[in-house]
Amino acid sequence: SAVISQKPSRDICQRGTSLTIQCQVDSQVTMMFWYRQQPGQSLTLIATANQGSEATYESGFVIDKFPISRPNLTFSTLTVSNMSPEDSSIYLCSVGAGFTASYEQYFGPGTRLTVT
Amino acid sequence: KQEVTQIPAALSVPEGENLVLNCSFTDSAIYNLQWFRQDPGKGLTSLLLIQSSQREQTSGRLNASLDKSSGRSTLYIAASQPGDSATYLCAVHSGAGSYQLTFGKGTKLSVIP
Repeated sequence: SAVISQKPSRDICQRGTSLTIQCQVDSQVTMMFWYRQQPGQSLTLIATANQGSEATYESGFVIDKFPISRPNLTFSTLTVSNMSPEDSSIYLCSVGAGFTASYEQYFGPGTRLTVT
Repeated sequence: KQEVTQIPAALSVPEGENLVLNCSFTDSAIYNLQWFRQDPGKGLTSLLLIQSSQREQTSGRLNASLDKSSGRSTLYIAASQPGDSATYLCAVHSGAGSYQLTFGKGTKLSVIP
């Protein structure tokens, strides 16, 4: 399984500002994903980050609000832009277990964001 | 659109009891199903993954079953311990070629010493 780290682990931010979350994997992976978990809710996929191409966003999420970078096969960033209290959530990155039949996913520890 | 439901939302049991967590999904055309554990304020730990062709998977005190035709999965925890206290999430993967997972809201388990 992959070992995934995220920075920061938590942050408290003022509305109107932006925060960039980093995700680092200990091995090269093709597929990386960003999820959001709002308080009391399930995880929702924000976007799929592929190295060398634009991220693919799910319905309800747009690049202007959640720009993503994927400069190489072990690293990705998610920026939460122009934050409002509704953006208070845990943001998690995950990776796929390679192109195997299992399509198993592994998750990072998450970034807990509070917007005041 | 796939929807995943987990019942109960919360469960409290005394230490040593065996317990079952339930997960149901609306579209039976799944590729696999994955059970995760989430500790408060933390990320997800993968517990078990069941392929659509499998009926169950076991890891230690955990056993997950899958009945694809009825859209159900269960996670059985034997001889529960206080360290098992966490939220357990069920997620389904709906198709080959895509990693997208659809999650349930989870069952919050408390094991009382």
